[in-house]
Amino acid sequence: EAGVAQSPRYKIIEKRQSVAFWCNPISGHATLYWYQQILGQGPKLLIQFQNNGVVDDSQLPKDRFSAERLKGVDSTLKIQPAKLEDSAVYLCASSIGQNYNNEQFFGPGTRLTVL
Amino acid sequence: GNSVTQMEGPVTLSEEAFLTINCTYTATGYPSLFWYVQYPGEGLQLLLKATKADDKGSNKGFEATYRKETTSFHLEKGSVQVSDSAVYFCALRSGGTSYGKLTFGQGTILTVHP
Repeated sequence: EAGVAQSPRYKIIEKRQSVAFWCNPISGHATLYWYQQILGQGPKLLIQFQNNGVVDDSQLPKDRFSAERLKGVDSTLKIQPAKLEDSAVYLCASSIGQNYNNEQFFGPGTRLTVL
Repeated sequence: GNSVTQMEGPVTLSEEAFLTINCTYTATGYPSLFWYVQYPGEGLQLLLKATKADDKGSNKGFEATYRKETTSFHLEKGSVQVSDSAVYFCALRSGGTSYGKLTFGQGTILTVHP
């Protein structure tokens, strides 16, 4: 079974530029999550989708971050404009459902460096 | 709100040594507790979990017991190997209106030397 795919794996940009990350969840998984993992910290949930609807985006900095999951499968996370403090690993995860007993499977992440 | 606190790291051990990584939590209700592992260059993987008080999760020689009275979920392994070198994250997940959101600790880097 294919796992969660993410691209690109690495991205270096200058502050005030924009960047986009892509995630393809495990086939059949209705719930998709984007996490931000700053160096030395645990992952923090940015946004959670159930199919193509947003369930929780309370910790998403909406002035610069946006995310979509138009057809309930792939998702993109965008940052515009980027700030130095956005340097982090962005993790995508998926689960078969949003029940708290449904295991979340994580992709390898995209490491973003903002200069 | 929910929070998870892990012991300060990093942890450096010799092969075959005993490992303990402490984890305590604050949560409303009755959360499920998890340990995730992140090997170099790879994504987070679920190592073990426990869903109710006094449950013991185990996998690959690692164990952790859900202690509600001390709000703890310490990770242990009797004899570590070089291949166990990784970052370990304690996490919790509660039901209700949190939609199963995972809350992570800050992670503990484990390095095992031959």
